[in-house]
Amino acid sequence: DVKVTQSSRYLVKRTGEKVFLECVQDMDHENMFWYRQDPGLGLRLIYFSYDVKMKEKGDIPEGYSVSREKKERFSLILESASTNQTSMYLCASSTNRDGYTFGSGTRLTVV
Amino acid sequence: GEDVEQSLFLSVREGDSSVINCTYTDSSSTYLYWYKQEPGAGLQLLTYIFSNMDMKQDQRLTVLLNKKDKHLSLRIADTQTGDSAIYFCAESKKPDKLIFGTGTRLQVFP
Repeated sequence: DVKVTQSSRYLVKRTGEKVFLECVQDMDHENMFWYRQDPGLGLRLIYFSYDVKMKEKGDIPEGYSVSREKKERFSLILESASTNQTSMYLCASSTNRDGYTFGSGTRLTVV
Repeated sequence: GEDVEQSLFLSVREGDSSVINCTYTDSSSTYLYWYKQEPGAGLQLLTYIFSNMDMKQDQRLTVLLNKKDKHLSLRIADTQTGDSAIYFCAESKKPDKLIFGTGTRLQVFP
């Protein structure tokens, strides 16, 4: 069963901490994405990547960075976590044809 | 610009049909999608339609596309309690970058 795996379902971090959210896909997909989901706002694109070592800013990249050193892994980094980054984070991957496959999400709370 | 709008809530009785609506603004969108998100889970692709189609049916699901009005709908026949979830529509000009709506929370009551 093909899948996108996010390493943590729940995380609690302190303000100012550096936070790593990991995402791994086993479908050999070229494209990977990070979204955050907030009530009433839907999904907002943070960063995406079309290939290894490539990254592009989405709609809300401020306060985030990403890393894609291997095709199957796409990491989201919060350089200095803040309370307004408390959210559900969703990773997805896709080919250029069939829509996205999503991970189960990581619910991050910054205190 | 790119903007996808949905109503936030829909409540239906078990056994009735549900219709979830979506409007989009980018007339050059090529693909339109419906995703389902169950509580505590990621999004699951339900169905998609190419912009050169008017309708697509898949078991209990019917997707209608009105390109002139930029309106997309998802009809769920014989709605069950297991259909309770958040439903997202999404559009894209390229299949590698989707724009999602805000999501419609469907509540099914007995």
